[in-house]
This record gives sequence, structure tokens and C-alpha cells, in this order.
Amino acid sequence: DAKTTQPPSMDCAEGRAANLPCNHSTISGNEYVYWYRQIHSQGPQYIIHGLKNNETNEMASLIITEDRKSSTLILPHATLRDTAVYYCIVRYSGGGADGLTFGKGTHLIIQP
Amino acid sequence: DAMVIQNPRYQVTQFGKPVTLSCSQTLNHNVMYWYQQKSSQAPKLLFHYYDKDFNNEADTPDNFQSRRPNTSFCFLDIRSPGLGDAAMYLCATSRRTESSYEQYFGPGTRLTVT
Repeated sequence: DAKTTQPPSMDCAEGRAANLPCNHSTISGNEYVYWYRQIHSQGPQYIIHGLKNNETNEMASLIITEDRKSSTLILPHATLRDTAVYYCIVRYSGGGADGLTFGKGTHLIIQP
Repeated sequence: DAMVIQNPRYQVTQFGKPVTLSCSQTLNHNVMYWYQQKSSQAPKLLFHYYDKDFNNEADTPDNFQSRRPNTSFCFLDIRSPGLGDAAMYLCATSRRTESSYEQYFGPGTRLTVT
């Protein structure tokens, strides 16, 4: 799996959009970008994934640059419950049962 | 609600005393995983089952074993826990398909070794 680089921590005001960057400059053409988050003392939670097009679901939006070397996870209206460690993971898109390789992630703190 | 359940949530064991952690799922997923997460670190994959096929990560110590008696249940056995095995143990499931997939995690079991 390709490696990812994320800032170790970020702050965001409650109600504002939280934009979490991820660099994955060595990503290959058949690898997806996944985002998971882990709220303190809970298991990780899947957020969203994408290959090359921007994606949106009820939790977040994922913006992937045209060259696919970086991406941004957007939480449109952050709440205090969004305080968590956010992991950006690049993974082969061909299916299979392999596990996830977590990096250090970004600790997002939502400020009241 | 379909989910991944881990019992117990907190487990205390003595140094060298075997311990078993359990995981069950109602999602009917064919893949189950065990991760270890030490304090202030990211989760690290120990092994997984694809149906009945066991897949061990190369750097998982022999002290860690796993059993999957049926689709719904998976167990993590630590034969002789050391102080360094104190961690959160996370179970996850997924449904293997031809394309991408997501993993569903349980709440974890926090293991303390005394």
C-alpha cells in the first residue's frame, strides 16, 4: 500500500467546515483513497472512499486532485462529536480481504 | 441493528496467564480481522480470516492465535500475555467483493496485564 502523509493535529471551530488534507504522492492507478476516523475509546469508523472522482455522502465530502497525489476530506459543519483521529488510507482497489494499514492520522479537535 | 460485538470491553489478566477475547457479528460478513492498538498508536493488523482461511501477518508474534468456529464468531487467544501485550484489541468485519469494500469495527476490548 502507498504511504500517506497527514498533519498530526488540526483545530476547527464548531459549525465551520473542517478540511483535512492528505498527501499520497506514490499512489498507483488501481488504488483507492479511504478515510476512517476513531473517536476516543471507540473502534475506527468508515467515512468515505474514492478512486479519482469527488465523492459525497451523509458524513463528508472527498476531494481528490486530478493527479491523485493528494486529497481533502471535508466535514461541512463540524460538531463537537467530530473530534477524533482521522486516518487517510490508500488501498488496492481490486478487492480482496487484506486488512487496513493505518498511518498516524490527524487529530482533529473541534473547538466550541 | 447489525453490528460487531466484542466481549468483554475490559479484560484484566495476569502475566503469563492465557486469555481469550471474543468477537461476534450479525452482518454475515465473510472476512473477520483482529487489530492491536497500543496507547497513542494507530491500529495494527494481527491476522484475518477469509471464510475459514486464516491469514497471519508476517510480524504477528506466535503468542497470538485465532479461531473462527463459524461465520459469526471469532476469537483471539493470547497464550502467555506479557506486559507489552497490554493494548486495545479491535475486531472488524468486511464483505469481500470484486471492488472496494469497507470494514466495520467493534468497540474493542481493552486488555490490562498485571
